[in-house]
Amino acid sequence: AQTVTQSQPEMSVQEAETVTLSCTYDTSESDYYLFWYKQPPSRQMILVIRQEAYKQQNATENRFSVNFQKAAKSFSLKISDSQLGDAAMYFCALLAGFGNEKLTFGTGTRLTIIP
Amino acid sequence: KAGVTQTPRYLIKTRGQQVTLSCSPISGHRSVSWYQQTPGQGLQFLFEYFSETQRNKGNFPGRFSGRQFSNSRSEMNVSTLELGDSALYLCASSLSPGRDTQYFGPGTRLTVL
Repeated sequence: AQTVTQSQPEMSVQEAETVTLSCTYDTSESDYYLFWYKQPPSRQMILVIRQEAYKQQNATENRFSVNFQKAAKSFSLKISDSQLGDAAMYFCALLAGFGNEKLTFGTGTRLTIIP
Repeated sequence: KAGVTQTPRYLIKTRGQQVTLSCSPISGHRSVSWYQQTPGQGLQFLFEYFSETQRNKGNFPGRFSGRQFSNSRSEMNVSTLELGDSALYLCASSLSPGRDTQYFGPGTRLTVL
């Protein structure tokens, strides 16, 4: 079974500052994929970033980057130069169990941007 | 390229009724997954369809069912609605099942009275 844990229900950051959202996961699979999705008030789930477990290099997407620590089963998201439009619920998700794949989500972190 | 579309966006039903939700995937995507999102249970996987076949199923009662058509569009049906079925139902599509990224639609908000 796969589990994803987000221990920060809420976070806030000043506009233009940097914030890091935490995520830990557990899986017995050796091949898996990790994602961060954001869900703004519109409720549309939007892909932020994807990380393949077999890649050592941390994924980066513009102002968004991850710190993937495979041995520690940790997958944190760093948002640089925070903008008002970054305000949303952020979900960490794990895709594993090949042949029986499904996304397993964490409980989410609500990010507030302070102007 | 158009994103995932879901219809209707909002739905109000009463207990005991049934409901059908529709999802059209991104053009070229052949895999469709459904998720239920509630404040209490969070995001939970319902099922996945690929090539008109249910490939994977979550831990939901048999009242929840789905199907996929030859054009990859998918529907999910909930029969004998209960108050606890009130939720946001999200559909996601991917090129193929397994390792491809899932892209989500805007969801259908179902309220059961």
